[in-house]
Amino acid sequence: DVKVTQSSRYLVKRTGEKVFLECVQDMDHENMFWYRQDPGLGLRLIYFSYDVKMKEKGDIPEGYSVSREKKERFSLILESASTNQTSMYLCASSLGSSKGAKNIQYFGAGTRLSVL
Amino acid sequence: SQQGEEDPQALSIQEGENATMNCSYKTSINNLQWYRQNSGRGLVHLILIRSNEREKHSGRLRVTLDTSKKSSSLLITASRAADTASYFCATAPRYNDMRFGAGTRLTVKP
Repeated sequence: DVKVTQSSRYLVKRTGEKVFLECVQDMDHENMFWYRQDPGLGLRLIYFSYDVKMKEKGDIPEGYSVSREKKERFSLILESASTNQTSMYLCASSLGSSKGAKNIQYFGAGTRLSVL
Repeated sequence: SQQGEEDPQALSIQEGENATMNCSYKTSINNLQWYRQNSGRGLVHLILIRSNEREKHSGRLRVTLDTSKKSSSLLITASRAADTASYFCATAPRYNDMRFGAGTRLTVKP
């Protein structure tokens, strides 16, 4: 079974702090994704990566950056956390299109971040 | 930008009844997928239907796709209390990235 692990289930941070959310997958997937989920808005794509050291902006990248130094790990960074970044953050991974695979995404359990 | 939009936003039914959820999307697609999310957890893939397919079944799930109307529906037959969850449709304007709707919250009463 594919396993996507997010380092924290709950996180409480102060405004202005630098926050790191970590995600690790164990299935050698090329693609990794970060979403945030807010009530009534569904999942919104922040960033995704289709290869090591590669990244592409999603729909709401402002205030976030990402790092993918190794294939299995994709980090989301809040450079200076703000209260409007309080949300549920979900990481996902999928096989790359070069493998001829369906683009099914596998999700972690989520990190509920509160910024006070 | 959200690609898919589910309807209704919330649905409450009795155990044993069928549940139907609809999804509309905006651009051309390679495939459309449905995911399920139990409260406070990550999403789990349920079923994928390709753009050249019109209907697909998986156990108690039936998905239809109408590309001319840019819409899809998910039917859960003989629902159970354990089906209580949020259901999302997802489409990919490009192969690797995907857009999700806001979801339908299904409550199945025992």
